Amino acid sequence: DGGITQSPKYLFRKEGQNVTLSCEQNLNHDAMYWYRQDPGQGLRLIYYSQIVNDFQKGDIAEGYSVSREKKESFPLTVTSAQKNPTAFYLCASSSKREGRLSYNEQFFGPGTRLTVL
Amino acid sequence: RKEVEQDPGPFNVPEGATVAFNCTYSNSASQSFFWYRQDCRKEPKLLMSVYSSGNEDGRFTAQLNRASQYISLLIRDSKLSDSATYLCVVRYYNFNKFYFGSGTKLNVKP
Repeated sequence: DGGITQSPKYLFRKEGQNVTLSCEQNLNHDAMYWYRQDPGQGLRLIYYSQIVNDFQKGDIAEGYSVSREKKESFPLTVTSAQKNPTAFYLCASSSKREGRLSYNEQFFGPGTRLTVL
Repeated sequence: RKEVEQDPGPFNVPEGATVAFNCTYSNSASQSFFWYRQDCRKEPKLLMSVYSSGNEDGRFTAQLNRASQYISLLIRDSKLSDSATYLCVVRYYNFNKFYFGSGTKLNVKP
């Protein structure tokens, strides 16, 4: 089955630790995205990548880092510099519209709930 | 000012009712528009894209008004299973970034 997987589903972090959230897709999508969602809030963009070995900061990149070494994978590291990391983290991907520079709709993974103890 | 704004609700309606949500966006360069549905503690899932001429998918109708910069979603004959949060999403052509509204919560009651 084609789709996006995220792991782990739940993650607990002690203060001062770095943790890495996994995101893998087998949809052959070019673009991948990381969002953060807080209770009662909309999704806020952390980082996004349109091609391998390239990525751009979103609106709330401070305290996060990413890599895009393979088309299928876009892991997110939540560093100790992120002051309030407890949130629901969602990974998404989208394909490029044929013959155009723009992208189609996004598909989401099931998310990772991160809690700082 | 937020890029995309929605009434958070909740909208509490009886089964069988018709309910409509609006969403406004701030950037006139917006290129694509979508409605997503998000169930509690789950990921958003695409409900429908919104086309310039308006489009319908079963009980759901989406409309776009570029002049006034808003999109709408109409749900007819509401079902209990329609209870969820509905997210309005806008994509800007220049940046290929997607902007999400905070969502409108719908509760359909028996």
